[in-house]
Amino acid sequence: SAVISQKPSRDICQRGTSLTIQCQVDSQVTMMFWYRQQPGQSLTLIATANQGSEATYESGFVIDKFPISRPNLTFSTLTVSNMSPEDSSIYLCSAQAGTGASPNYGYTFGSGTRLTVV
Amino acid sequence: AQRVTQPEKLLSVFKGAPVELKCNYSYSGSPELFWYVQYSRQRLQLLLRHISRESIKGFTADLNKGETSFHLKKPFAQEEDSAMYYCAPGPTRSGYNKLIFGAGTRLAVHP
Repeated sequence: SAVISQKPSRDICQRGTSLTIQCQVDSQVTMMFWYRQQPGQSLTLIATANQGSEATYESGFVIDKFPISRPNLTFSTLTVSNMSPEDSSIYLCSAQAGTGASPNYGYTFGSGTRLTVV
Repeated sequence: AQRVTQPEKLLSVFKGAPVELKCNYSYSGSPELFWYVQYSRQRLQLLLRHISRESIKGFTADLNKGETSFHLKKPFAQEEDSAMYYCAPGPTRSGYNKLIFGAGTRLAVHP
């Protein structure tokens, strides 16, 4: 199945600044996604990163705050803009690998970026 | 709206005891269903998928469309099963491709 490299693994940032998180997949994938996991909580989908077009955002998330790029089928970035302490969280990227009933079908995840905003 | 419910935040059992982690979903269309597991200090990984009807690490999950449930079961829990488990309904044939996660259940297996 696809392997995702995500970086940075962690960062401590000043409020008001921006951080860009990168995800590199070792094979071409159709779908890529970005999630947020706040302390003690489950994963919340931020957006679907579409190759060659604007990302599709979930309710409560907007492009100005979380701009996403997906220049090709193996790479995506998420930027957390104008950060505040409330943005402190783990951010994860995910890729849909395989199709249908193929043995490797599923969603794989990066190791996450632990962001602390001070 | 798509919704998944894992009613138990924590499930605590002794080694060798049976385990059932509950998952109920509310979805338009017929979603594919997954269980994901996150061991301490490791990334989230796929445990099993309903379409493959497989058994991974002794875990099985049966899809009950009537009850819209996809409970995860293991007859004899092991200490190494201690982890966070997430039920995740996902793609439907109508083209809905997103994977949505339940709140998760922490399984603690005691010696």
